[in-house]
Amino acid sequence: IAGITQAPTSQILAAGRRMTLRCTQDMRHNAMYWYRQDLGLGLRLIHYSNTAGTTGKGEVPDGYSVSRANTDDFPLTLASAVPSQTSVYFCASSETSGGANTGELFFGEGSRLTVL
Amino acid sequence: GQNIDQPTEMTATEGAIVQINCTYQTSGFNGLFWYQQHAGEAPTFLSYNVLDGLEEKGRFSSFLSRSKGYSYLLLKELQMKDSASYLCAVLDSNYQLIWGAGTKLIIKP
Repeated sequence: IAGITQAPTSQILAAGRRMTLRCTQDMRHNAMYWYRQDLGLGLRLIHYSNTAGTTGKGEVPDGYSVSRANTDDFPLTLASAVPSQTSVYFCASSETSGGANTGELFFGEGSRLTVL
Repeated sequence: GQNIDQPTEMTATEGAIVQINCTYQTSGFNGLFWYQQHAGEAPTFLSYNVLDGLEEKGRFSSFLSRSKGYSYLLLKELQMKDSASYLCAVLDSNYQLIWGAGTKLIIKP
């Protein structure tokens, strides 16, 4: 089934540990995104990539890093997890038009991360 | 700053009609989107408006007024499966989506 796969779906992590959330898409979309979603707040963009080999910072990038070595994969790394990073993380992708996001995003099922 | 406002929660009756409003103030405008998100699931795309007016798609319609910075999502013939959060988002001048916090819609029998 075409779409976006995230792993793990759920994880409990001790503060200070390093964690990588994996994201793979098979739709050949140029653009990919990482969001976090917290109760009462909208989706907040962490990092994005408009095409393989490039990345950009979103609204809340601190404490997170990403890489885009190829079109399909877009991992998100927490170098040293803190409790405020407890959240649901969504990876998404979209087609681009003239290099720009079209706005129609396809989301993975989410990764629920708890940092203790 | 950029801001998207929508009601936190709404309640409606099965079979009825409900209108979910969204107002926005963003740096630039390249389209307004509505997404549906069932509890514990990922958001899914519902509709897109870039020109003023009404876009109809089955039981769901979305309206846009760019001069007023206003949109609404209209859901007709409500079904229990329509219980979900509805997210309003605007594509700004940098082609980044700015998201509202979402409206939780509760459908009662």
